[in-house]
Amino acid sequence: QSALTQPPSASGSPGQSVTISCTGTSSDVGGYNYVSWYQQHPGKAPKLMIYEVSKRPSGVPDRFSGSKSGNTASLTVSGLQAEDEADYYCSSYAVSSNNVGYVFGTGTKVTVL
Amino acid sequence: QVQLQESGPGLVQPSQTLSLTCTVSGGSISSGTYYWTWIRQPAGKGLEWIGRIYASESTNYNPSTNYNPSLKSRLTISVDTSKSQFSLKLSSVTAADTAVYYCVNNWKGAFDFWGQGTMVTVSS
Repeated sequence: QSALTQPPSASGSPGQSVTISCTGTSSDVGGYNYVSWYQQHPGKAPKLMIYEVSKRPSGVPDRFSGSKSGNTASLTVSGLQAEDEADYYCSSYAVSSNNVGYVFGTGTKVTVL
Repeated sequence: QVQLQESGPGLVQPSQTLSLTCTVSGGSISSGTYYWTWIRQPAGKGLEWIGRIYASESTNYNPSTNYNPSLKSRLTISVDTSKSQFSLKLSSVTAADTAVYYCVNNWKGAFDFWGQGTMVTVSS
């Protein structure tokens, strides 16, 4: 199970949108709709922002949206706010060689300019 | 709302076994709703899924586990439904196992409620 590939960094001004990609394989992202996204502020535990590719848990602003095409999933943060500055990780259910589990992305640091 | 709390030694000597326990409250550990998961994060690095366990009344409490292949040979995850706890044992640890360890519930392919995390350092 190799880590999913994310860009190391992304940035945008307040009010703008930023999109983060998460690239895997047909054994994980491309094969299952169990892609999720997490926001992590320094020193804090990650927070679930998106599950099942595009669903938002209760309490997560609708500025956060998710999608998937083939082996690549994406998280878009619209109307950037200062509090959106954080690290973001994707995760996917993964199956290979009789192993079932999960794999995380490499992480993307989002900076609000 | 489910709450999780990790506990265990913060310092483990190299080659020894790292043991952590997660106490679950606000919901039944054997309800069958969730898998119970361990995730870790070395300082300044990304998240790594360690493994998970599932125990349900419907399966007569026979737990099933899934492990990260890279850790499988050293890893045991167990559950004590009477105490509403699940545990992690990682043997033959090295400095590479130094990390913040989180216990989390696994629901609909995602990790919903997280413990606060516990820092474990492997050092002599």
